[in-house]
Amino acid sequence: GPKVLQIPSHQIIDMGQMVTLNCDPVSNHLYFYWYKQILGQQMEFLVNFYNGKVMEKSKLFKDQFSVERPDGSYFTLKIQPTALEDSAVYFCASSPVSYEQYFGPGTRLTVL
Amino acid sequence: TQTVSQSDAHVTVFEGDSVELRCNYSYGGSIYLSWYIQHHGRGLQFLLKYYSGNPVVQGVNGFEAEFSKSDSSFHLRKASVHWSDSAVYFCAASPSITGNTRKLIFGLGTTLQVQP
Repeated sequence: GPKVLQIPSHQIIDMGQMVTLNCDPVSNHLYFYWYKQILGQQMEFLVNFYNGKVMEKSKLFKDQFSVERPDGSYFTLKIQPTALEDSAVYFCASSPVSYEQYFGPGTRLTVL
Repeated sequence: TQTVSQSDAHVTVFEGDSVELRCNYSYGGSIYLSWYIQHHGRGLQFLLKYYSGNPVVQGVNGFEAEFSKSDSSFHLRKASVHWSDSAVYFCAASPSITGNTRKLIFGLGTTLQVQP
């Protein structure tokens, strides 16, 4: 089936540094999402993106977070500066016109 | 506020058994429901979805789910499980309303362990 790729699979950084998580969505999809999963907890919605704009963001999407998809390339999640509580697995997803979302394998972010 | 609840954190069955994983949601209007499977250390894989029509929907690998508006439920079933079905199963919902941004609201997940 359609595949969403995420780069890198793991990222370890020091608190206060900037990090960019990259997502390569399915090529003809129109909607893009980021979710956050802390170990042992449920997946939680962060933000979604359509037509070059953020459509909705949750309370977890702090001011230090930003997303973009310049010129149809990677869909990125940037955190600047990072905090200890940002340690989690971040999943990217994309969907076509329908509601069905396809997820990437996740990026495990560890903030020291 | 919409919520999705999965009442069983862990379910253990033997290979060849049938299984039902429970999912209930709280939302009064039209809703999109889906199930995902997550094998250890991997991303979520789509299993099946319901939006309208026949309340029993078929998914991959012999899974099916049944929507019940009266019970606000969307339980996942499989008639005969295989050891490779061992994974965490997530139920997810998205209210189907104008202007909805399609975010998925997930349950806490049910860990299915299939013993040989």
